[in-house]
Amino acid sequence: DADVTQTPRNRITKTGKRIMLECSQTKGHDRMYWYRQDPGLGLRLIYYSFDVKDINKGEISDGYSVSRQAQAKFSLSLESAIPNQTALYFCATSEGNGINYGYTFGSGTRLTVV
Amino acid sequence: GQNIDQPTEMTATEGAIVQINCTYQTSGFNGLFWYQQHAGEAPTFLSYNVLDGLEEKGRFSSFLSRSKGYSYLLLKELQMKDSASYLCAVRDPGTGGNKLVFGAGTILRVKS
Repeated sequence: DADVTQTPRNRITKTGKRIMLECSQTKGHDRMYWYRQDPGLGLRLIYYSFDVKDINKGEISDGYSVSRQAQAKFSLSLESAIPNQTALYFCATSEGNGINYGYTFGSGTRLTVV
Repeated sequence: GQNIDQPTEMTATEGAIVQINCTYQTSGFNGLFWYQQHAGEAPTFLSYNVLDGLEEKGRFSSFLSRSKGYSYLLLKELQMKDSASYLCAVRDPGTGGNKLVFGAGTILRVKS
């Protein structure tokens, strides 16, 4: 099994619908992140969490919400999907301590809003 | 704030050496990462630099100059499988030192 699992892998939804993207991890990391990736713009941070019940906005949080239900789970919701939220979404985890604070990424969710 | 610049695209020949540059302007600095990302897949960790100098790992090396706000990723003996996007990311010291801010990525095309 993958260390960081995202579901679904692909999703097509209609404008105005609510949709939830799920992320779960088995690495035991306390920090989790949601990014979206658009061509030419790179990865942009939506929300991040340093522990259960800790929620912080990233640079592009408008139109999104998150929930950290447990250390291993971090879900991203689009309250009312719009076409410009069509993107590739990545969940990532990292350790809070240690020398190398690199990320482990999930395989991504390709979301299309029509 | 953070600003990270890297070239949009590069093309190189199989077996050759290619250098991908990254410049950054940040209010603080706590390390720089390079990631490789194949199309439609997750980014995977390549290298980490926090002190000036060169870090070598097999065919890949990464260099950092903190005074110049500059890093490069050097890929030797290029293979077709190295065709991918390469992401430069700087660690943001503003929130406990663990948020990564990414550049837009450099698409590398390796031709035979």
